[in-house]
Amino acid sequence: QSALTQPPSASGSPGQSVTISCTGTSSDVGAYKYVSWYQHHPGKVPKVMIYEVNKRPSGVPDRFSGSKSGNTASLTISGLQAEDEADYYCSSYGGTSNFVIFGGGTKLTVL
Amino acid sequence: QLQLQESGPGLVKPSETLSLTCAVSGASITNNYYYWGCVRQAPGQGLEWIGNIYYTGTTYYNPSLKSRLTMSLDTSKSQFSLKLSSVTAADTAIYYCARTRDNSGVDFDYWGQGTLVTVSS
Repeated sequence: QSALTQPPSASGSPGQSVTISCTGTSSDVGAYKYVSWYQHHPGKVPKVMIYEVNKRPSGVPDRFSGSKSGNTASLTISGLQAEDEADYYCSSYGGTSNFVIFGGGTKLTVL
Repeated sequence: QLQLQESGPGLVKPSETLSLTCAVSGASITNNYYYWGCVRQAPGQGLEWIGNIYYTGTTYYNPSLKSRLTMSLDTSKSQFSLKLSSVTAADTAIYYCARTRDNSGVDFDYWGQGTLVTVSS
């Protein structure tokens, strides 16, 4: 099971926008609508920020948005805030033999 | 309010079996709308999905762990568990129990606090 590919790091200044990519294959990201994004602050529990490519759970600010094109999904955070500094992980459904695949994670730094 | 609580051995010797139990409170473990799952994070590494179990007992495992992994449900105790055999240092990680957001079974909205399991002699 190969992990989805994310850039190891990303950064932006407060108020700016940043986009994190997540590249899979035609067997996972490209095949299904089930792409999720998690925010993980060190020492805390991961929190789902986006599910089914572009849907936000209740309570997640609309500064967070998701999209997908082909085998690549993206998370965009607009109006960056200091508290957005965290690790971000994408995940995708990969079929019944590969149910959940995580990306390697992206460390977001708010400058 | 749903709560998940992991309980594990803390320290496991190489080649032995890691046993982790996830106690569920505030929700029915037999609810057919959710899956129950386990995710781990090795030191300095990313999240890794371990496996999911449905209320029927149907399981889905990470292919890379499948040969060593068994997950099960104990509905009478409202808990689910995993057993990972023949552990090595590479299995040292924080192990999380989690519940999926819905019956697609692919994303997790409730997590336990996690428990650190160290594999060492």
